[in-house]
Amino acid sequence: GESVGLHLPTLSVQEGDNSIINCAYSNSASDYFIWYKQESGKGPQFIIDIRSNMDKRQGQRVTVLLNKTVKHLSLQIAATQPGDSAVYFCAERAGGTSYGKLTFGQGTILTVHP
Amino acid sequence: DGGITQSPKYLFRKEGQNVTLSCEQNLNHDAMYWYRQDPGQGLRLIYYSQIVNDFQKGDIAEGYSVSREKKESFPLTVTSAQKNPTAFYLCASRGTGRAEAFFGQGTRLTVV
Repeated sequence: GESVGLHLPTLSVQEGDNSIINCAYSNSASDYFIWYKQESGKGPQFIIDIRSNMDKRQGQRVTVLLNKTVKHLSLQIAATQPGDSAVYFCAERAGGTSYGKLTFGQGTILTVHP
Repeated sequence: DGGITQSPKYLFRKEGQNVTLSCEQNLNHDAMYWYRQDPGQGLRLIYYSQIVNDFQKGDIAEGYSVSREKKESFPLTVTSAQKNPTAFYLCASRGTGRAEAFFGQGTRLTVV
C-alpha cells in the first residue's frame, strides 16, 4: 500500500539522561522481538533482542522489557550519549504459518542534546 | 570480510522501465528479506525468503518480484506496475536459529 505521510514520534533528551523508547506490536504469535538503530542514509543495526518467553533482557547500557499482556515492548538506554541519536525501530519475528517473517514498527527519532 | 552487499547505491530509472536491485551475502544465511523505506518512515516488508528456491510475499509485494536461485543472492525487480517506486530499498539476511537480521547499506531508487 502507499504511505500516508505519517511522521515518526520523536524523543529529545539531554546527554547523560536515561531514554525510554516504546513500541506496540500486533502479532501475539511472534517469537522474537528485536530493536534496531538506524543512522541517516544507512541500514539498520541490531541492538538487542528478546525471546517471547522472557520479560527482560539487559545488554551494554540497554535494557529491553516485554509485556505480552498489553503487547508492548520498550528499550531503555542508560546514560544517553550524542552518538545514540538515531531512529530506533522495534521488529517482531513471526512464528506459526508465517515463521520467519520480520515486521518493523513505526520507529522513534531519538535526539540527544550535549 | 563477511557481510551483505547491495548494489548499486544509487539508481535512476525512467518511468515504465523494470529495474533489478542486487543483494548478495556471504554470511551463509538461509533467510533473506527486502524492505522499502520512504522518507521519514519505517521499513515495510516487500518479500522474504526462508530458503533457496522459496519466497513469500510481504506486506507490499504488488509491483515487485524476486528470485532465490542461490543461497547468497536475492535480487529484487521493481516492475513498471509499481506506481510509486522512488524509495530507499534495504536488503537483509538472517542466520538459522537467530533472531537478528543484518542489513545492507541500501539502494536509493529514483524514478525520473
